[in-house]
Parts: sequence; structure tokens; C-alpha cells
Amino acid sequence: TQLLEQSPQFLSIQEGENLTVYCNSSSVFSSLQWYRQEPGEGPVLLVTVVTGGEVKKLKRLTFQFGDARKDSSLHITAAQPGDTGLYLCAGAIGNKLIFGTGTLLAVQP
Amino acid sequence: NAGVTQTPKFRILKIGQSMTLQCTQDMNHNYMYWYRQDPGMGLKLIYYSVGAGITDKGEVPNGYNVSRSTTEDFPLRLELAAPSQTSVYFCASSPRGTPIGYTFGSGTRLTVV
Repeated sequence: TQLLEQSPQFLSIQEGENLTVYCNSSSVFSSLQWYRQEPGEGPVLLVTVVTGGEVKKLKRLTFQFGDARKDSSLHITAAQPGDTGLYLCAGAIGNKLIFGTGTLLAVQP
Repeated sequence: NAGVTQTPKFRILKIGQSMTLQCTQDMNHNYMYWYRQDPGMGLKLIYYSVGAGITDKGEVPNGYNVSRSTTEDFPLRLELAAPSQTSVYFCASSPRGTPIGYTFGSGTRLTVV
């Protein structure tokens, strides 16, 4: 059973555009993480959000944890080709992380 | 620092063969995890360990076995390989449980033919 659904699955945009990726679940998580994965590599942690309603910014990336701690969003402002990759959300349940289905982002120059 | 090291990077197995995927971390992390990633899918947890001598099943443990005799090493054993085990396998570690982020290895791409 897939607990975390991400949308969209695929996104191809032009450099300079803005985008938002969504991560939704019916489960409540104690925390939520976002990772980025490049081809042939393992995922790399971008951010961890812990408190419902929390907003964190990482340069052009803004992450939000839903008030009920069931969902999250990632917003990228003025996307650049270097943002290309697979974005994964992951919710914490006990000692385990449950990963979402992933969003494959391609930013065209 | 090497971080999390996985070997081999690629492997082709015949149906019914066995193999061990190696994972070593040099960060003295207590928690270690094995995930598999199928095309178009997220990562699914196979097994995890919260310390030497302690292991537990994840979402998809069937067909796999693990052991954790030291803090550094967490090998994943495939017995009687099946085509359904064709996947990319990732090992990860963290100093303690969530919400601490994981450090991942670069993966092992396994094909069973």
C-alpha cells in the first residue's frame, strides 16, 4: 500500500518558471523529509519539516508541512537546469521513512 | 569521508542464484536501512536495523535476509533470485531515528534473468 502520493509524476518546464510539487497522504507523520535524486545516485536530503504548518526555505526552494501533518509541498522559484532530478518526499512513521512515488522534474534551458 | 559504500554497483544474476549486496558506513551510525527502487516508483523499505544484532522487516522483506554483526556493515542477502527482484537497491544510514535525515549509498543495480 502506497501511503504517500506525489503529484505531478512528471514535469517539464522552461528555465525561469515556477513550479509546485505536492505530497499527500491519509496518514499522519511525525516529520517529513524531501530528497533529490540524480541519475545513478542515491537520494540526497534537502530538508526536514517537523511541526504542522512549518515553512522552510532553502534558497529558491520553499517547503511547507501541512497543518495536520499529512501533506507537504515543495515550491521552486525561477527553476534552473541544475534543479533537474527526481524529487522524493518521505514521511516518518516510528523509526521508518515511507517514501512517496516521486516527481521527475526536467528544466529546459 | 566515504559515507555509505555499496558494492557491487551492477550485477546480473540468473534465476535461482544467490548473492549478497554489501553496505558499509564509516559514520558510526546506529540505524541502517535497505530500500529497493523500481522504475517509476518510490523507494520501498526491505529491512532495517537500529543497532548491531537488531534487525526488523520493512514493507517488502520476502526473498531477502539481513544480518548486522557490526555497526559498520549491513549486508543484504538474496536467496533464489527471481525476476521480480530486478531493481536498484539502496542502503542508507542515520545516527538515530527520524526526524534525522538519511545518508544514502549510490546503489546497486541488479538484473535477474
